[in-house]
Amino acid sequence: DIQMTQSPSSLSASVGDRVTITCRASQSINNYLNWYQQRPGKPPNLLILGTSSLLSGVPSRFSGSGSGTDFTLTISNLQPEDFVTYYCQQTYSAPYTFAQGTKLEI
Amino acid sequence: EVQLLESGGGLVQPGGSLRLSCAASGFSFSTYAMNWVRQAPGKGLEWVSVISRISHVMYYADSVKGRFTISRDNSKNTLYLQMSSLRAEDTARYYCVRDYHGSGTYGVGDYWGQGTLVTVSS
Repeated sequence: DIQMTQSPSSLSASVGDRVTITCRASQSINNYLNWYQQRPGKPPNLLILGTSSLLSGVPSRFSGSGSGTDFTLTISNLQPEDFVTYYCQQTYSAPYTFAQGTKLEI
Repeated sequence: EVQLLESGGGLVQPGGSLRLSCAASGFSFSTYAMNWVRQAPGKGLEWVSVISRISHVMYYADSVKGRFTISRDNSKNTLYLQMSSLRAEDTARYYCVRDYHGSGTYGVGDYWGQGTLVTVSS
């Protein structure tokens, strides 16, 4: 199975900052890497699929990049509603594993 | 509007069984693969299983393989998860998740239900 590791597990930042979250796969997953945002008490929301494709309606301050085993989610100009938890997930091969998540704190 | 409504969760003893259901509406259910994803209280996400549009492909997480069975009834727009030999570590909120069209693979969840809570305890 492919193991996914996300870092950091928590991150402190301020409104207006630019932050980067890293996701690493235990083997190459091509570009089959997705990012989700989860607010407390709510189901996750798909932000980015295929490493860098933003879903419709997702603000352009979110961006994704990477290839092979190393990927990043960058959030520019942080807004108050961005201080929640983010997960990466590989869908290169089943089982489609998630990483442990990053909690973004103000 | 896409809606996914899970049901069937509850308290069950270790070793017991439970069947979850997910009623789908607002889209053409038979044309989408469907997933189950779970989240233990205060923990991260764990992908559980996927079933293709006409049930010819089913994949499972190692942690549930041989104990859980995913199925669907396209005539009823309903997804199921039959869970048996339940363990304390299966305690989680179980989400029904629609699979994104056009990703080139399974497992990408574009719509999620609110989830149903399964608690395994004596």
